[in-house]
Amino acid sequence: NAGVTQTPKFQVLKTGQSMTLQCAQDMNHEYMSWYRQDPGMGLRLIHYSVGAGITDQGEVPNGYNVSRSTTEDFPLRLLSAAPSQTSVYFCASAASGQPQHFGDGTRLSIL
Amino acid sequence: AQSVTQLDSQVPVFEEAPVELRCNYSSSVSVYLFWYVQYPNQGLQLLLKYLSGSTLVESINGFEAEFNKSQTSFHLRKPSVHISDTAEYFCAVSETSGTYKYIFGTGTRLKVLA
Repeated sequence: NAGVTQTPKFQVLKTGQSMTLQCAQDMNHEYMSWYRQDPGMGLRLIHYSVGAGITDQGEVPNGYNVSRSTTEDFPLRLLSAAPSQTSVYFCASAASGQPQHFGDGTRLSIL
Repeated sequence: AQSVTQLDSQVPVFEEAPVELRCNYSSSVSVYLFWYVQYPNQGLQLLLKYLSGSTLVESINGFEAEFNKSQTSFHLRKPSVHISDTAEYFCAVSETSGTYKYIFGTGTRLKVLA
């Protein structure tokens, strides 16, 4: 019972590089989301999806892309990394009307 | 739109003392309410939830929270804290219909002192 799996756990990038943060869940949840966590700011929603083929923007979507081709996977793409994107990123999933389950996070540093 | 306010960024408390972590929310529609706990270098774990029914909800490790609709609050309480309760606690709200979007508070860091 893996739950929500995020890879990698740590990553260091140079400014301007692109990369994809992976998120997979094995609970057949329809809802998935990406958050970033910064000191003193709590968790802020980047993008979310209510089902395969459906995505929408959250509170801080700029500089990030997502897609949802399957129920299980919800990757987050950084198009051109900037130091302001240094953060801890969390993926979460939920069934309808139920609490979200979170992954262990990806710690991303942009130099 | 919803918002969540956690007024206390840090709460120090001695072991075996009671604690209350405050959470107030703003919403024009019906909401679900949640408390999550985050231990150092870990993800968020659900502590307790209010979806419907009894306004007093309890967790398995002694925490409880009461949904107060008139005061738009969902404060977290524990009558006697332990060193192992040291963590960051996040309050979150979501609409009861539609988007599943969570709005989180900025978190309260609970430090239990020996």
